[in-house]
Amino acid sequence: DAGITQSPRYKITETGRQVTLMCHQTWSHSYMFWYRQDLGHGLRLIYYSAAADITDKGEVPDGYVVSRSKTENFPLTLESATRSQTSVYFCASSEGMGLAVGEQFFGPGTRLTVL
Amino acid sequence: AQKVTQAQTEISVVEKEDVTLDCVYETRDTTYYLFWYKQPPSGELVFLIRRNSFDEQNEISGRYSWNFQKSTSSFNFTITASQVVDSAVYFCALSPPSSASKIIFGSGTRLSIRP
Repeated sequence: DAGITQSPRYKITETGRQVTLMCHQTWSHSYMFWYRQDLGHGLRLIYYSAAADITDKGEVPDGYVVSRSKTENFPLTLESATRSQTSVYFCASSEGMGLAVGEQFFGPGTRLTVL
Repeated sequence: AQKVTQAQTEISVVEKEDVTLDCVYETRDTTYYLFWYKQPPSGELVFLIRRNSFDEQNEISGRYSWNFQKSTSSFNFTITASQVVDSAVYFCALSPPSSASKIIFGSGTRLSIRP
């Protein structure tokens, strides 16, 4: 399917476990992003990537790891999940240049619960 | 530091009423972009508009209009003749053009339109 997809859509895990959230986009956008959405905080940027093999920290990177070996994929890993990482996670992509600056396309989100 | 404030946490109006969502931002950049995104109950985020800081003209798109005032650092969003389908959480956001990744989102305003 065309667009941006996330998997799984829902995940329940336990404290201390490793969890990987997947993100895939079919537009060949250069930029990809991971956000978390928590009540009262809006969306906060966790990590972003400007291109394959180029990643950088956002506002709240602690406890998360990303990689981008291929342009279309941008997985987010919680190495040792904590309850504070219970959240809705959104992946987004963007051309990120010129007139496309800021026009990010979002995936449907992954609701993660850490028990 | 950059910051976006949406002081209205929740707004509820009756269908066909006009409603304005407030957005106030802080930035030291002389050039920047402002955005509005919509998050309907289904959860996905939808890009609505981007405004360059050099362009203070108001914009109208159907029942939606945006009022950008640099003097008060505000970028307010008005829905005219609201409809139930307008019910959503609306996010205002800000980014410097030099870094397409650094979108700072406000905490959002939940708009409920009652029939």
